Amino acid sequence: EAQVTQNPRYLITVTGKKLTVTCSQNMNHEYMSWYRQDPGLGLRQIYYSMNVEVTDKGDVPEGYKVSRKEKRNFPLILESPSPNQTSLYFCASSPHVVRTGPYNEQFFGPGTRLTVL
Amino acid sequence: EDQVTQSPEALRLQEGESSSLNCSYTVSGLRGLFWYRQDPGKGPEFLFTLYSAGEEKEKERLKATLTKKESFLHITAPKPEDSATYLCAVRSGGSYIPTFGRGTSLIVHP
Repeated sequence: EAQVTQNPRYLITVTGKKLTVTCSQNMNHEYMSWYRQDPGLGLRQIYYSMNVEVTDKGDVPEGYKVSRKEKRNFPLILESPSPNQTSLYFCASSPHVVRTGPYNEQFFGPGTRLTVL
Repeated sequence: EDQVTQSPEALRLQEGESSSLNCSYTVSGLRGLFWYRQDPGKGPEFLFTLYSAGEEKEKERLKATLTKKESFLHITAPKPEDSATYLCAVRSGGSYIPTFGRGTSLIVHP
């Protein structure tokens, strides 16, 4: 089954304790991204990756890191989480994206609900 | 800066009562307008992509249309299982970062 998986699905942690949320897709997609979703603000992109070893900032990258060492995996790292990073996080993937061409839809994971105390 | 405004924020319908959701957008060179459905506690699920004004796409009770300034998601004879939040997103030329609207929460009562 084609899917995007995220782990963990739920996480409660404390301020300053480093954490990693994993994301994996089995569709051989080149483009992967991370979003956070907050009430009243909608989905906002944190980071995206066009391919292995190619990552770039989205709209709200502060306080986050990512890496893309393998095509299927795109972990999100919070090195020193703070309470304002409490949110619902989604990983998404998409087939090859061409800057000058039409864009493809994204396939989203099930979400990770993070609470930072 | 790309902007997406969805209206209404919330919509309550009786089963069978057709209606439309609106997505107004401002972009520099539209490269795609996307509609997603999101159930509570789940990730958005792709519904449609529209690329140019005049384009229409249909899926079961849903029909999406696009003009140069807005898109509509028409829901014909909705059922309770159509209850969800519907998200609209756009991508503009030269940008890899999509802009999402805040969504319309639809509740269909039996």
